[in-house]
Amino acid sequence: DTEVTQTPKHLVMGMTNKKSLKCEQHMGHRAMYWYKQKAKKPPELMFVYSYEKLSINESVPSRFSPECPNSSLLNLHLHALQPEDSALYLCASSRRGMEDEQYFGPGTRLTVT
Amino acid sequence: GNSVTQMEGPVTLSEEAFLTINCTYTATGYPSLFWYVQYPGEGLQLLLKATKADDKGSNKGFEATYRKETTSFHLEKGSVQVSDSAVYFCALSEISGGGADGLTFGKGTHLIIQP
Repeated sequence: DTEVTQTPKHLVMGMTNKKSLKCEQHMGHRAMYWYKQKAKKPPELMFVYSYEKLSINESVPSRFSPECPNSSLLNLHLHALQPEDSALYLCASSRRGMEDEQYFGPGTRLTVT
Repeated sequence: GNSVTQMEGPVTLSEEAFLTINCTYTATGYPSLFWYVQYPGEGLQLLLKATKADDKGSNKGFEATYRKETTSFHLEKGSVQVSDSAVYFCALSEISGGGADGLTFGKGTHLIIQP
């Protein structure tokens, strides 16, 4: 099983809403990632969790708050987003760390109105 | 720092044509190299990888060879199908003295295959 699942598939939220994105993998991977992808661009790394600890935060605004409850789950909590935050949010995992190939989920298409 | 350069396209080919998507990289050490594919409305899928010089990665008829002397990892397929229409990303990951760096992506090549 090389699957990373993400829910929801689509999300529309207002600028005052609070919502969460969820990511799950059952491959026993110990590194998990959040990426943001705008149309016709490559993914941009937001956060890296290694062994359930936040190891990299690529200067992401505090309106994005990651959480790793256990080694299989990764959440991204969203609050007071801006329209420019509309994008495809991708979750990925890898076996140990960033030296290993990453497996991506299908993404959550987020629209902020 | 690390960088990946690839043709952006769109690249338009007829079905059964030969495909080459060029990818060159800049890295300070010995990176691992990857090709990812993204079909419309989906996430990225790992297509193939190579971890050292002269390695050849292959999958689903696609091939790429890690050429250290030319710092290249060109993607090839002998006969493309309409279903190969997608965006292809070349990427590298490198372990340096400070640990592993994240994936560095090229800008992506949009491939369109016409019947």
